[in-house]
Amino acid sequence: DAGVIQSPRHEVTEMGQEVTLRCKPISGHDYLFWYRQTMMRGLELLIYFNNNVPIDDSGMPEDRFSAKMPNASFSTLKIQPSEPRDSAVYFCASSFSVMNTEAFFGQGTRLTVV
Amino acid sequence: GDSVTQMEGPVTLSEEAFLTINCTYTATGYPSLFWYVQYPGEGLQLLLKATKADDKGSNKGFEATYRKETTSFHLEKGSVQVSDSAVYFCALSEGDTGKLIFGQGTTLQVKP
Repeated sequence: DAGVIQSPRHEVTEMGQEVTLRCKPISGHDYLFWYRQTMMRGLELLIYFNNNVPIDDSGMPEDRFSAKMPNASFSTLKIQPSEPRDSAVYFCASSFSVMNTEAFFGQGTRLTVV
Repeated sequence: GDSVTQMEGPVTLSEEAFLTINCTYTATGYPSLFWYVQYPGEGLQLLLKATKADDKGSNKGFEATYRKETTSFHLEKGSVQVSDSAVYFCALSEGDTGKLIFGQGTTLQVKP
C-alpha cells in the first residue's frame, strides 16, 4: 500500500477563495483524522470519521470549514472562504478500528492564503 | 476531556548526550500512549507505543514506560545522534472512541 495520500502537497490561494484538500486513506482503515499544524497552536484535531461517518467535529474552527467522507477511500476538507489565518499544514491520518493501533499520516498539505 | 502535555522545547543537546522529553496525560479511561516523530517537511511517524500500564515501548534506541500512577510516558534515549533532530509528539488514543490526541510537540536539535 502507498500509505495515506494527500493532495495537493502545496496550495497557495488568495483570501476569499475556496480551497479543497484531499485525502486517500490506507485501504482497510476505518478511522480517518484531519489535523492542522501551526507554529502557534501545534497539532490540532479538526475532525475524525469512523466508517465514513463524522464522529467528532468539535475541533473544526468555524463554519467556513467542512469535511466529507463520501466513501471509504476518499475524504475532503474544504475551506470557504479562505482567510490568511488558515495558513497551516493540514494532515490526514488513518487507522484500523482495532483498539490501540497506530495512526498513519500523510505527507500533509501546506496551505498558504495570501 | 482527555489531554496530553509535553515539556516545552526546543531541546538542544550535543551528540551522545542523554535525552529525556517529559510527557504527562489526563484521561478518564485506559488510553494507549504513543510517541511520534516528525522530520522536517514530512508527516508524523510512529516511534513507539505502549498499550497498558507498566508496558515499555522501544524503538531505535528510544524508550518510554507507561506509568499509570504518575500519568506519564517520558521519552528517553541514552545517546542521541544528529540524525535524531526532529519534532517529537506524545499522544494518547482514547480506548472507547478511537480519538487520537497529541501534545504540542517538542523540538530536539542535536549538535555534532
